[in-house]
Amino acid sequence: QLQLQESGPGLAKPSETLSLTCTVSGGSISGSTYYWGWIRQPPGKGPEWIASMRGSTYYNPSLMSRVFMSIDTSKNQFSLKLTSVTAADTAFYYCAAIVGASRVDYWGRGLLLTVSS
Amino acid sequence: EVVLTQSPGTLSLSPGERATLSCRASQNVNLAWYQQKPGQTPRLLIYGASTRATGIPARFSGSGSGTDFTLTISRLEPEDSAVYYCQENGSMFGQGTRLEIK
Repeated sequence: QLQLQESGPGLAKPSETLSLTCTVSGGSISGSTYYWGWIRQPPGKGPEWIASMRGSTYYNPSLMSRVFMSIDTSKNQFSLKLTSVTAADTAFYYCAAIVGASRVDYWGRGLLLTVSS
Repeated sequence: EVVLTQSPGTLSLSPGERATLSCRASQNVNLAWYQQKPGQTPRLLIYGASTRATGIPARFSGSGSGTDFTLTISRLEPEDSAVYYCQENGSMFGQGTRLEIK
């Protein structure tokens, strides 16, 4: 049973670059058939897919100019960088294990990021 | 970019009734459905348009292909009150349908 845990700051200032990390346990990132991804959900709104990666990286077109995703197999972690954050980026950020072109099988517990000066 | 449009926005029904939720895609997709209750992460109900996820009751069913999909919940129970989202190809989500049980 995979477990995913997000880590990162809970607060950022406008224009800063946000860095989030997801630590995977219960399985190896490099040996897995899963795509690893990030999804966010502003409070009271629906989920928004941000990015997925397995070999190649896929980004939400509306965010791709500000987003970069990477994987560190030596640490069994993957990361997200989001540049030039604004209040509109305030959301719960979830890391996820995604069956390619199908569904999210596992979610992290989520990390609330608030962007405020 | 694929756009998913869910309808209706809100549905209010009584226990025992049938709920029919729609998801329309701007191009052919592979579709999943999720249920989300307050304070919880989305729970996978259906994938591949019609395959129930592990542990999901048989009163939840999915149908459709290509661009038009339906989630049907027969014999509604009070605990089905939630927001339901569709997702295409493991990426983009619809805006959701809020289901209220009277």
